[in-house]
Amino acid sequence: DIQMTQSPPSLSASLGDKVTITCQASQNINKYIAWYQQKPGKAPRLLIRYTSTLESGTPSRFSGSGSGRDYSFSISNVESEDIASYYCLQYVNLPLTFGSGTKLEIK
Amino acid sequence: EVQLVESGGGLVQPGRSLKLSCAASGFTFSDYNMAWVRQAPKKGLEWVATISYDGSSTYYRDSVKGRFTISRDNAKSTLYLQMDSLRSEDTATYYCASLLPGYPFAYWGQGTLVTVSS
Repeated sequence: DIQMTQSPPSLSASLGDKVTITCQASQNINKYIAWYQQKPGKAPRLLIRYTSTLESGTPSRFSGSGSGRDYSFSISNVESEDIASYYCLQYVNLPLTFGSGTKLEIK
Repeated sequence: EVQLVESGGGLVQPGRSLKLSCAASGFTFSDYNMAWVRQAPKKGLEWVATISYDGSSTYYRDSVKGRFTISRDNAKSTLYLQMDSLRSEDTATYYCASLLPGYPFAYWGQGTLVTVSS
């Protein structure tokens, strides 16, 4: 199974800050990583797939990058509506595996 | 508008069974592979099972193999998860989600809570 090591577990940011979350896979996942946003009590929402492709409706302040085993997800100009937990997912192999999540809070 | 609506969750004793359903609308259900993803209270997301668009192939995480069965009825646009021999560690909100090649979990239901407790 591919393990996804996500960090940090939590982030505290001010409005307008840029924040970055990382995921490291236990093996090369060939850019098959997606990023999800989950607000309390809601289902996750797909934001980015294949490392850096923004889904329709995803604001341009969200971005993703990486290759091989190492990937990152960033939010520039954090807004109050970005308060949520964020998860990475590798989908190159079964079992599909998620990172442990990052909770974003506003200072 | 795409909709996935889960039902069937509830409180069940350890060792008993439960069957979840997920009714789909707003897209061509029979074109999509589908999956169940769960989330234990205050925990992260965990893939549970996947079924191919025509039901011919199924895949499970190791911890549910032999206990859970994923199935679908394309005529009814409905996905199912039969859960047998339930354990306390199966307690979670269960989400159904779509799986197209290159579009992992693009659509999600609202989730249904399964609590396994005596």
